[in-house]
Amino acid sequence: SAVISQKPSRDICQRGTSLTIQCQVDSQVTMMFWYRQQPGQSLTLIATANQGSEATYESGFVIDKFPISRPNLTFSTLTVSNMSPEDSSIYLCSVSPQEGSQYFGPGTRLLVL
Amino acid sequence: QKEVEQDPGPLSVPEGAIVSLNCTYSNSAFQYFMWYRQYSRKGPELLMYTYSSGNKEDGRFTAQVDKSSKYISLFIRDSQPSDSATYLCAMGGGGSNYKLTFGKGTLLTVNP
Repeated sequence: SAVISQKPSRDICQRGTSLTIQCQVDSQVTMMFWYRQQPGQSLTLIATANQGSEATYESGFVIDKFPISRPNLTFSTLTVSNMSPEDSSIYLCSVSPQEGSQYFGPGTRLLVL
Repeated sequence: QKEVEQDPGPLSVPEGAIVSLNCTYSNSAFQYFMWYRQYSRKGPELLMYTYSSGNKEDGRFTAQVDKSSKYISLFIRDSQPSDSATYLCAMGGGGSNYKLTFGKGTLLTVNP
């Protein structure tokens, strides 16, 4: 397994601003993911972030809105840019040390006013 | 048809009951199957994962996969109030992208 921490755990932001969420893992992993979890909805994959390459975004998510950094094998950031109330959600990072297992961080609860 | 269907519940049972949680899926490429438990205001916690059809047991939890019917189940024996949480099924295919597809989750309450 892996121990994952996220910062901040929650935030309340004004529309039009940006928030950067940090994800730290206690071991080196290649595969790291960012998800969004909206009330009553499935976890939705935003992008896959592999160290040393550009993030791969899923349909409906773009780099200008959700820029991602992956500077090393234990750390990643997700920025939610130019926020609107529709961006209010829980944002989760996860890692996959091997195919078939994926471990999640505690999440960042975001409210946009 | 959605790739993964999961009854959202809510499901309420008395303490000690056997709980059955289920998901169906449409994509025959899925090769591995997971169950996550998510407590309120926490991240999902991996409970069980399996690669093949059949049963896998871990303590009070049994995961069952029927690939021919595209149906997976999680059974909880002797349920406890501490089992009250949302349970999410997740599935992934072969290849190198490790991408998972999740069900919406079933909210379970175990009443003392």
